Amino acid sequence: AQRVTQPEKLLSVFKGAPVELKCNYSYSGSPELFWYVQYSRQRLQLLLRHISRESIKGFTADLNKGETSFHLKKPFAQEEDSAMYYCALSSEAMYSSASKIIFGSGTRLSIRP
Amino acid sequence: DAMVIQNPRYQVTQFGKPVTLSCSQTLNHNVMYWYQQKSSQAPKLLFHYYDKDFNNEADTPDNFQSRRPNTSFCFLDIRSPGLGDAAMYLCATSRSRGLNTEAFFGQGTRLTVV
Repeated sequence: AQRVTQPEKLLSVFKGAPVELKCNYSYSGSPELFWYVQYSRQRLQLLLRHISRESIKGFTADLNKGETSFHLKKPFAQEEDSAMYYCALSSEAMYSSASKIIFGSGTRLSIRP
Repeated sequence: DAMVIQNPRYQVTQFGKPVTLSCSQTLNHNVMYWYQQKSSQAPKLLFHYYDKDFNNEADTPDNFQSRRPNTSFCFLDIRSPGLGDAAMYLCATSRSRGLNTEAFFGQGTRLTVV
């Protein structure tokens, strides 16, 4: 079964401290993984995707197929990073040409001044 | 410059009274999704459209239906809302096939059932 697990509901760190948001997935095949973010009173939006191997707002995420993980990291947290973060997996939908996106339950990141 | 618009933002409906939530997009994307999100839970995919092709998730209750009259609009109909249907409903769009396509979300409609 396809599943995305985010074990932490809440993560609170001090400004300037490193951040790691954990994500594990279950998928038979080659997964496409994403991190989405939702800032206060804003819509859910894409933060980064694994295939791009990019750093967005200082965040990076590495796909580890052996551990089936896609943890989100940032070396120095900033107050504006406080938000809800969702790990997501894109999979081929049966009987459809579209992809379907499966989300984890999210981790609320709180940066303390 | 909103690209995916959901109306209304807040909807209160009576137990058992049919309700319709709407979503429109200016992106001309082929795919539209409806998600249900309850408090502290993952957004749960209810169904999606690829153009006019409708795809229901296996565990989506029959109480939930959808219509897509054209590329821009998609509706979520709840035929007989129960208290358990109170949730945030998210509409999203993406371009056609391709695992790496980004989903664009609306602001959501928070449904309350009284």
